[in-house]
Amino acid sequence: QQQVKQSPQSLIVQKGGISIINCAYENTAFDYFPWYQQFPGKGPALLIAIRPDVSEKKEGRFTISFNKSAKQFSLHIMDSQPGDSATYFCADPPQAGTALIFGKGTTLSVSS
Amino acid sequence: ETGVTQTPRHLVMGMTNKKSLKCEQHLGHNAMYWYKQSAKKPLELMFVYSLEERVENNSVPSRFSPECPNSSHLFLHLHTLQPEDSALYLCASSQVGGGETTEAFFGQGTRLTVV
Repeated sequence: QQQVKQSPQSLIVQKGGISIINCAYENTAFDYFPWYQQFPGKGPALLIAIRPDVSEKKEGRFTISFNKSAKQFSLHIMDSQPGDSATYFCADPPQAGTALIFGKGTTLSVSS
Repeated sequence: ETGVTQTPRHLVMGMTNKKSLKCEQHLGHNAMYWYKQSAKKPLELMFVYSLEERVENNSVPSRFSPECPNSSHLFLHLHTLQPEDSALYLCASSQVGGGETTEAFFGQGTRLTVV
């Protein structure tokens, strides 16, 4: 079974701080590395994704970086805000074009 | 219409009941999925339908029965469930083909409680 190991399980960050969440993959299609954000009572929604032809992608305060040799990709949230408090999931498809397998999630709390 | 719509949003059922969850996608996608999300486990993939054919079921108990009548609709039929089946059931859709993985769009889920 495809495994995606996500850490930490929970994270508390002061407003304005940097939130960092990591994801390690084992077997992968090496095709697509997304981060999903989920608020209570809602389904997960894509936050940012990267394809391995680039090592980093930035969208506003959110940056995803990819380290092929370490088999890891990470999410950095700069200037974290209380509205960023949510659960974040990394995911990886075992084969290109197949269903996403998700990590266990990281619950982020940003204190004001 | 929102991209992926699930009904009902909440469901309470007894262990001897039979009920169905419904999912509809308005995105023109050709693949649909059921995921289970419980408090102590990550998003667990239950069923995949690609081009209206079931691709994998990940050893889900037979008390869960999926149905995909067309590319826009997906059902999950439930019968003789157990209390441990209480969870948030999420439907998702994506476009497959072309050799690349693409974004999966999720519905808001059905919160199921088995009593």
